[in-house]
Amino acid sequence: AAGVIQSPRHLIKEKRETATLKCYPIPRHDTVYWYQQGPGQDPQFLISFYEKMQSDKGSIPDRFSAQQFSDYHSELNMSSLELGDSALYFCASSLGDGNTIYFGEGSWLTVV
Amino acid sequence: RKEVEQDPGPFNVPEGATVAFNCTYSNSASQSFFWYRQDCRKEPKLLMSVYSSGNEDGRFTAQLNRASQYISLLIRDSKLSDSATYLCVVNGYDYKLSFGAGTTVTVRA
Repeated sequence: AAGVIQSPRHLIKEKRETATLKCYPIPRHDTVYWYQQGPGQDPQFLISFYEKMQSDKGSIPDRFSAQQFSDYHSELNMSSLELGDSALYFCASSLGDGNTIYFGEGSWLTVV
Repeated sequence: RKEVEQDPGPFNVPEGATVAFNCTYSNSASQSFFWYRQDCRKEPKLLMSVYSSGNEDGRFTAQLNRASQYISLLIRDSKLSDSATYLCVVNGYDYKLSFGAGTTVTVRA
């Protein structure tokens, strides 16, 4: 069965650069979530979208933005990158908000 | 206070042992409860959904206690491959999912 697809899987950027992560949800899933997980930490919720509209916002920095497109894929844009942004970024999708979510394999971002 | 709290462990058990741990949640109106398993540097994977009084899937049993607002996960006949971090996920306020910090289980030979 198709799962959540994230790209790129690994990304290295320098401080103050910009990065974009992409997420393709499971077919027919209408809700996308973004999480950030630092070393030894639980996933921290960043933002979610339901039917292409932002449905909830968590601890997402103002330097970050995201959107969900008409084909339900989502992109997380991160600007003015800082060393502390280095983390594993997960995208997850569900059918409906608050239901069982399924995670992608994650995108490793390293800021140097 | 976090919406979902877990004993971080680690729980270090021998193969074949039984290990159990709890997760407490603060929103009494929560309706959906999940256990996810996360291996190091990998994505969380759904282990079990817990919707009513609990359920069992092979060696894994999840229980829900609404009165005391906790769910538990019990692993019987532990295998080396059960070593992982187990994340408790609850739909909390506004029906948004909240994660616990995870319970680490290490099964030794």
